[in-house]
Amino acid sequence: DAKTTQPPSMDCAEGRAANLPCNHSTISGNEYVYWYRQIHSQGPQYIIHGLKNNETNEMASLIITEDRKSSTLILPHATLRDTAVYYCIVRLMDSSYKLIFGSGTRLLVRP
Amino acid sequence: NAGVMQNPRHLVRRRGQEARLRCSPVKGHSHVYWYRQLPEEGLKFMVYLQKENIIDESGMPKERFSAEFPKEGPSILRIQQVVRGDSAAYFCASSTDRWYGYTFGSGTRLTVV
Repeated sequence: DAKTTQPPSMDCAEGRAANLPCNHSTISGNEYVYWYRQIHSQGPQYIIHGLKNNETNEMASLIITEDRKSSTLILPHATLRDTAVYYCIVRLMDSSYKLIFGSGTRLLVRP
Repeated sequence: NAGVMQNPRHLVRRRGQEARLRCSPVKGHSHVYWYRQLPEEGLKFMVYLQKENIIDESGMPKERFSAEFPKEGPSILRIQQVVRGDSAAYFCASSTDRWYGYTFGSGTRLTVV
């Protein structure tokens, strides 16, 4: 089962920042937080991941709280092409390191 | 720089037939993962393979499903005697190392009629 909780849906205006929250209160010290998105029925796309420090790349920023029980994915200037389902995933650090997908947040970017 | 290639993109099978789904990982990637997505649902992990080895098959149905990743050639997900409930999108992902994020393919949409 997924170890994260996300709102089922959100929306934001084009050009504005989209802030997607994720709760992972049972995260272990050696588990990473990953974010993926799935646009329509395409294959999921990797966005960003982090352990405890904030991370930024060309796509997004990831803010992880100090206690690591929650995080926020920030898309600084959302475009219509960012409309997708966003998955917050705590990566299991067992022998397979597999990603367990939950239900995600359906983000709608409005014109 | 080709990504993960899955074929066919769409596959139609009659009940009782076999379905073979192929996945060519990113060049140099030796870790392959298969996921299934039922209509309007999230992705469910099926199996994790490294070259010639199955590492974790905890998400694979016990019967009719099998996967392989031979030393040469693509990874194959095989479904024998398909039933309508097997209709889904099957995604393959690969990575160079278990620490890194996966690159997903575009999936194979299997329809059982």
